[in-house]
Amino acid sequence: NAGVTQTPKFQVLKTGQSMTLQCAQDMNHEYMSWYRQDPGMGLRLIHYSVGAGITDQGEVPNGYNVSRSTTEDFPLRLLSAAPSQTSVYFCASSYRRYSSPLHFGNGTRLTVT
Amino acid sequence: RKEVEQDPGPFNVPEGATVAFNCTYSNSASQSFFWYRQDCRKEPKLLMSVYSSGNEDGRFTAQLNRASQYISLLIRDSKLSDSATYLCVVNNGGNQFYFGTGTSLTVIP
Repeated sequence: NAGVTQTPKFQVLKTGQSMTLQCAQDMNHEYMSWYRQDPGMGLRLIHYSVGAGITDQGEVPNGYNVSRSTTEDFPLRLLSAAPSQTSVYFCASSYRRYSSPLHFGNGTRLTVT
Repeated sequence: RKEVEQDPGPFNVPEGATVAFNCTYSNSASQSFFWYRQDCRKEPKLLMSVYSSGNEDGRFTAQLNRASQYISLLIRDSKLSDSATYLCVVNNGGNQFYFGTGTSLTVIP
């Protein structure tokens, strides 16, 4: 059982480049989300989805887009990378929103130069 | 005011010691509570959910105090392998989970 799979594990971008972070889960979870983790700031929610075709913004959505065309996949797109987006990104899913705990992918370390 | 606050530590304790962490939350309507463990440069992993009546899993005990709006995690007989950052997570019944910044624990031989 793969759980939550994130790719790539590491990425270096130049300012202005775009890229997509991939996230897939095989647990039939309805809730999926993206977080970024920066030193001293904890995990902050970027975007989330409560089901296929439904997405919404979290605490820090600017500069990121998401889509949820299937239950399994929830990609995160950086439109025009900026050094402020250097961070560790985690995808997480949950079976039933608030009542179930989050399961995390193993993260993507992104550096924007 | 932050949704969830934790003492960042660090807590440095000898092997075999008992250590406790607290986490306060600001929204009295909060409904779900969890403790996660995060090792350096790894993803957070669920340690335990926190139930209203309190719950125990081996050496770990979690408690919820709704009146004072805090949850706690007690670790007994600390092991070297318990060294990690412990994250408090709260959900207020909506679509967002709120994370504390984590409490760092180092267990010393």
